[in-house]
Amino acid sequence: NAGVTQTPKFRVLKTGQSMTLLCAQDMNHEYMYWYRQDPGMGLRLIHYSVGEGTTAKGEVPDGYNVSRLKKQNFLLGLESAAPSQTSVYFCASSYNSVGRNTEAFFGQGTRLTVV
Amino acid sequence: DAKTTQPTSMDCAEGRAANLPCNHSTISGNEYVYWYRQIHSQGPQYIIHGLKNNETNEMASLIITEDRKSSTLILPHATLRDTAVYYCIVRVAASLTGANSKLTFGKGITLSVRP
Repeated sequence: NAGVTQTPKFRVLKTGQSMTLLCAQDMNHEYMYWYRQDPGMGLRLIHYSVGEGTTAKGEVPDGYNVSRLKKQNFLLGLESAAPSQTSVYFCASSYNSVGRNTEAFFGQGTRLTVV
Repeated sequence: DAKTTQPTSMDCAEGRAANLPCNHSTISGNEYVYWYRQIHSQGPQYIIHGLKNNETNEMASLIITEDRKSSTLILPHATLRDTAVYYCIVRVAASLTGANSKLTFGKGITLSVRP
């Protein structure tokens, strides 16, 4: 049971380049989340999804797009990377059910540097 | 989501109990209190959650006041490995729309366990 897996773990981009971060979970969770974490700060929610085919904006959505075409995958896209998007990105997933344990499971993070 | 307030930092001696407070005065009746921690730059880890009754698991105990406006996470015998940032979060456990279930982190409290 892999849990939540993020790909890639590290990446260096040049300003203006695009890339996609992949988050995959094998727990059949309904909810999935993308966060960014900057030095000395807590996690800030970028986008989230409550189910396959649905996405919603979080606290800091500008400059990012997401897609949830399959329940197990949540993709985060940067169309034109900027140095301000240098950060550590975390993906998470959880159940949506009072009867189940609704704890969120996190991936190991993707360290992105935009130069 | 209801907001939470936590002290910025605290420390305790190894082997002693660590009591981490959290205020959530605007919590709604269907919102749970969740605690997560983040060690170094790893992904956050779930610790415990509760609605109104006190909860205990192998990691910690959660004490929620009768009016539910505050709670305390208790690590009964802190070790050096418990040094981390601890996040207190309130959210509904399940939602038809998902809007109230998004997991929003604050800055958390930095716990330093000293030898």
